[in-house]
Amino acid sequence: QVQLVESGGGVVEPGRSLRLSCAASGFTFSNYGMYWVRQAPGKGLEWVTLISHDGSNKQYADSVRGRFTISRDNSKNTLSLQMDSLRGDDTAVYYCAKSAVTWPYNYYMDVWGLGTTVIVSS
Amino acid sequence: EIVLTQSPGTLSFSPGERATLSCRASQSVSSSYLAWYQQKPGQAPRLLIYGASSRATGIPDKFSGSGSGTDFTLTISRLEPEDFAVYYCQQYGTSLTFGGGTKVEIK
Repeated sequence: QVQLVESGGGVVEPGRSLRLSCAASGFTFSNYGMYWVRQAPGKGLEWVTLISHDGSNKQYADSVRGRFTISRDNSKNTLSLQMDSLRGDDTAVYYCAKSAVTWPYNYYMDVWGLGTTVIVSS
Repeated sequence: EIVLTQSPGTLSFSPGERATLSCRASQSVSSSYLAWYQQKPGQAPRLLIYGASSRATGIPDKFSGSGSGTDFTLTISRLEPEDFAVYYCQQYGTSLTFGGGTKVEIK
């Protein structure tokens, strides 16, 4: 079945870096755009970044632009999120999500992973 | 940026009642590109509705969506215990934004 499994979360000090991964299975990964969405403790959902099916188009929320980098490896069915210069307000559960389509890049998310928790604290 | 407002933040119902949730956009959502998600505690969000009114695969017909432009509604016809959760709207017509969510709790 279609599945997304995130990994790489943990506790990190402010200013440090962390890399999240998302392993995809059960669908043709290279055909779909992918997203990272986060949820701070007790708060709502916030879109973080997206990447097109072929990696040629990337978009970022203002809150992470210049600090986070999304990438994908279609040969390994893997999505990644490199997070640099982490801040306390980056503390959240980070979800990997699949777009329902190849294009347009901004679309709804039909499959979600269970999430991985990132805590930024000294 | 299109801001989505879901109010009130919490609604209280008894099982068997009909629930109507609101999502209002700060500007028109193009092509009715609006989705609804359900999230239960400790779980990932689940897609319920896309295109304002189309049910996602496997979603029972007690869930329905309607609306266009700036005003959208999610209706749950008869609330069952498993429907008490938080519901989020999301627009994907212009970039991507989520509403703040509405919690549906047991009265």
